[in-house]
Amino acid sequence: RKEVEQDPGPFNVPEGATVAFNCTYSNSASQSFFWYRQDCRKEPKLLMSVYSSGNEDGRFTAQLNRASQYISLLIRDSKLSDSATYLCVVNSGNQFYFGTGTSLTVIP
Amino acid sequence: GAGVSQSPSNKVTEKGKDVELRCDPISGHTALYWYRQSLGQGLEFLIYFQGNSAPDKSGLPSDRFSAERTGGSVSTLTIQRTQQEDSAVYLCASSRTRDYEQYFGPGTRLTVT
Repeated sequence: RKEVEQDPGPFNVPEGATVAFNCTYSNSASQSFFWYRQDCRKEPKLLMSVYSSGNEDGRFTAQLNRASQYISLLIRDSKLSDSATYLCVVNSGNQFYFGTGTSLTVIP
Repeated sequence: GAGVSQSPSNKVTEKGKDVELRCDPISGHTALYWYRQSLGQGLEFLIYFQGNSAPDKSGLPSDRFSAERTGGSVSTLTIQRTQQEDSAVYLCASSRTRDYEQYFGPGTRLTVT
């Protein structure tokens, strides 16, 4: 079983839509969690850390569910510029595990 | 402040040649990571440094790959006798310490012909 699993998508949504991604992880002792975005042929950029209490940054909300071992990312009022691949990252012990990413395209 | 920088940005080399890729992490970051990403694929972990030590080399794909870090700062990834399957983008990231978020450099695009 993979350490981190994501639905690869693609998710194609109209501008203004709300879209949510989930990411499951296998190690219940995982310690920290992050969402990154990666644009085509660019490096991953940190979008937000995911805290136990959940956190929000503008249109983006991240949540952690330790009982079910998943993290989520909610994007409200999608913009064309949100089109990218979203990577979930889980820190377990001495390793960072990257999901393979979920592709989002926001359509005009 | 300055982010993670990598050089060269692009490298084309002939099969069998050795290449050296360089990473300059964010100043003060003690943890440094190397990954590679093939076209359309996810990130593949290669090696992690804490200071100048590499406690986790588990991701290096073969003994043709090696890496070092000096002065707790700059790191070089060396690939000897390159093969076509080594073609990928090699990404370096650094973080304050092990458990903190990582910041990525722009990568080196390696093409082996």
